[in-house]
Amino acid sequence: QKEVEQDPGPLSVPEGAIVSLNCTYSNSAFQYFMWYRQYSRKGPELLMYTYSSGNKEDGRFTAQVDKSSKYISLFIRDSQPSDSATYLCAMSANSGNTPLVFGKGTRLSVIA
Amino acid sequence: GAVVSQHPSWVICKSGTSVKIECRSLDFQATTMFWYRQFPKQSLMLMATSNEGSKATYEQGVEKDKFLINHASLTLSTLTVTSAHPEDSSFYICSAEIYGYTFGSGTRLTVV
Repeated sequence: QKEVEQDPGPLSVPEGAIVSLNCTYSNSAFQYFMWYRQYSRKGPELLMYTYSSGNKEDGRFTAQVDKSSKYISLFIRDSQPSDSATYLCAMSANSGNTPLVFGKGTRLSVIA
Repeated sequence: GAVVSQHPSWVICKSGTSVKIECRSLDFQATTMFWYRQFPKQSLMLMATSNEGSKATYEQGVEKDKFLINHASLTLSTLTVTSAHPEDSSFYICSAEIYGYTFGSGTRLTVV
């Protein structure tokens, strides 16, 4: 079993839809959880950064972490064509000098 | 916000030559930087952890003599691909941790 599992998609939704992206993980030591957006041929851009369990909201984006289930989610409300990208979940046990463990990434297309 | 500047954004080189990729933290000091490699439609694969003033830590399977990493200052880490071959063609990305992990814009290397 891989440390982080993420459905690679592709996922195609109409403009304005609510998008739900998810990852599961096996390492109970993970405490820091991140979602990145990556456009083609660009570096990943940090969207959400969450410590431990709970919800975090930023504009149209909501991140949820359920450590008891080892499950994290990213919700995108009122999706836009500009949201079309690959979304990567990432996590680590410690902040700072510990490298991230990434999911495979989910390719999202929002159709106008 | 924190910025990691990576150059060049793309490079084409002949087989057998060496290529240097630079990664700079513009407004913060990075004791540790991470180097990743990404193949098309795949997630990021950690190559090595670069530590300022000391030797880099390479992941299993990554040739340290081929991928030379130098982290001579708190704001600069370099990755040199030596004696490049077509199979080294890939997307290389650096990262540093500051209020969440920030990534450079990536370098697309094509070896012909």
